[in-house]
Amino acid sequence: NTKITQSPRYLILGRANKSLECEQHLGHNAMYWYKQSAEKPPELMFLYNLKQLIRNETVPSRFIPECPDSSKLLLHISAVDPEDSAVYFCASSLDISNSDYTFGSGTRLLVI
Amino acid sequence: GDQVEQSPSALSLHEGTGSALRCNFTTTMRAVQWFRKNSRGSLINLFYLASGTKENGRLKSAFDSKERYSTLHIRDAQLEDSGTYFCAADKGYKLTFGTGTSLLVDP
Repeated sequence: NTKITQSPRYLILGRANKSLECEQHLGHNAMYWYKQSAEKPPELMFLYNLKQLIRNETVPSRFIPECPDSSKLLLHISAVDPEDSAVYFCASSLDISNSDYTFGSGTRLLVI
Repeated sequence: GDQVEQSPSALSLHEGTGSALRCNFTTTMRAVQWFRKNSRGSLINLFYLASGTKENGRLKSAFDSKERYSTLHIRDAQLEDSGTYFCAADKGYKLTFGTGTSLLVDP
């Protein structure tokens, strides 16, 4: 899936700071971060529309999103916790009223 | 909160056979998407439906917002169809995912 790319694919952290990156080439205005923990379905973390943060689903403050332009989304992580081990998916849609989502391939985060 | 009940949780099929997955919703949803998570962990978009049915190859999906359910039919299953299938319902600004169906297709 080259329409929406995520990096890195895998990330192993101790108590370090790191950023996840996402870029979409679809011309979409809405971008999302979803978290999928083991044995659970993906759950929304953040929603941006036209570079504005619209929703923060009560995510711990050590996760800081950033949307430098409408095609890019970042997720900065500091002082990670073992419970943060999960796959983090970026997704996009035309806008928040259009729910036809395209998901990236995910970043698998392992906190050791 | 809004619930998406997906069944079955696991399914085993012989090559060439078929079956159906189902998601029931506790409230009216405006659209549904079906995804397959492949062996690399990527979520592959199979269908997006705001109503009615769609068909793509050996897959067919239906969504009835009034009756609050959606189905995904697989026919003539192939080995490469193995993976975890998720339905996800849209009621507003986010998708609420079902718990997934782990499909194993064997020879």
